[in-house]
Amino acid sequence: SQKIEQNSEALNIQEGKTATLTCNYTNYSPAYLQWYRQDPGRGPVFLLLIRENEKEKRKERLKVTFDTTLKQSLFHITASQPADSATYLCALPSSASKIIFGSGTRLSIRP
Amino acid sequence: EAGVAQSPRYKIIEKRQSVAFWCNPISGHATLYWYQQILGQGPKLLIQFQNNGVVDDSQLPKDRFSAERLKGVDSTLKIQPAKLEDSAVYLCASSLVGEIEEQYFGPGTRLTVT
Repeated sequence: SQKIEQNSEALNIQEGKTATLTCNYTNYSPAYLQWYRQDPGRGPVFLLLIRENEKEKRKERLKVTFDTTLKQSLFHITASQPADSATYLCALPSSASKIIFGSGTRLSIRP
Repeated sequence: EAGVAQSPRYKIIEKRQSVAFWCNPISGHATLYWYQQILGQGPKLLIQFQNNGVVDDSQLPKDRFSAERLKGVDSTLKIQPAKLEDSAVYLCASSLVGEIEEQYFGPGTRLTVT
């Protein structure tokens, strides 16, 4: 069955730098991949979706890449701010109707 | 636009007791999901409804968990009897019907079983 691997260790970076988070999957390449943000005590919030035929997607300071050869997606936040501190979840379809989530990577931006 | 509403926000019960959670999805969203999120893990799908029909309940522990979505709008998730390992946040999400849809999540209900 499809599995998602996200770095379970927290990522701590300096404000203004680019944060890069990794999402690896194990089996077949999914038709698309989603990234969500989750703050403590809140539900996940959708950020970006990238399809298998797209190499890169951007939204303001966010950029997502999708490499089906490496079975990997990278999530970048440029010019990071303390307000970007949160847990970021990767999600992809495991079947026609079901989406599975990774365990998330906690990002901390220090001033 | 109002978001996904859930209640209660917090619940503490003893093991073997029962508990129910309520979810009101975004108006017009035909698909509704219940997830269990254990601390430090990602959300795990328990059950997915489209209108009032079940699309996927393969990971729902049916000996103790049940869910319904009467009239294709609100939904309730029940646990009876609860076990210690049921301590988690229970998230409800909804989405429009489509091939690829982003999910809108509610704030969740934090359940502690003692």
